[in-house]
Amino acid sequence: QSVVTQPPSASGTPGQRVTISCSGSSSNIGTNDVNWYQQLPGTAPKLLIYSDNQWPSGVPDRFSGSKSGTSASLAISGLQSADESVYYCAVWDDSLNGLVFGGGTKLTVL
Amino acid sequence: EVQLVESGGGLVQPGGSLRLSCAASGFTFSIYDMHWVRQATGKGLEWVSPIGTAGDTYYPGSEKGRFTISRENAKNSLYLQMNSLRAGDTALYYCTRVAVADFAFANWGQGTMVTVSS
Repeated sequence: QSVVTQPPSASGTPGQRVTISCSGSSSNIGTNDVNWYQQLPGTAPKLLIYSDNQWPSGVPDRFSGSKSGTSASLAISGLQSADESVYYCAVWDDSLNGLVFGGGTKLTVL
Repeated sequence: EVQLVESGGGLVQPGGSLRLSCAASGFTFSIYDMHWVRQATGKGLEWVSPIGTAGDTYYPGSEKGRFTISRENAKNSLYLQMNSLRAGDTALYYCTRVAVADFAFANWGQGTMVTVSS
């Protein structure tokens, strides 16, 4: 059981906007930057958002990150079938003195 | 183009050892922090260990005392020596490069599979 919690699943229809949450505490999300990864089936994870809301080169701005208090969110607008993937949040935890990943959210495009 | 290629995985008995390697190319290896991250089949991601540019290391969890991360800058290579392996260590092990921000794994290899079983 991770100290940062994501819903196990999410879904949306093409063109829709969906959000995936990552809930933590003052020792992790409340203090440190959150990064988001996308893992397409059978592939290595890919950095999607870093430092809460920054885009690595090549990531479309349909993906956006935000944070408020001890929760972070990943929003995907203009949902596409290619976005079907598992999404992970990751953040440093000051209490554990370690990097923690959320359990992952499997996004289904209906 | 940044490339990370892991090798060294395989089937090992409980209590055994393995040494994973990661060959890096397409960037100046010596100036980047590198990490190992693992993923059990069908499960989530788990941070294993980092190594800084100065060779500073850290072992956050059950790997302490069993795993040793190292790097050889002259060979653009990252290693993970794993001893006293347990069934719970069975996973796909990824080599990652930190770039753009602390703990932001901008590049990943394809992974090397470690299976601990009798």
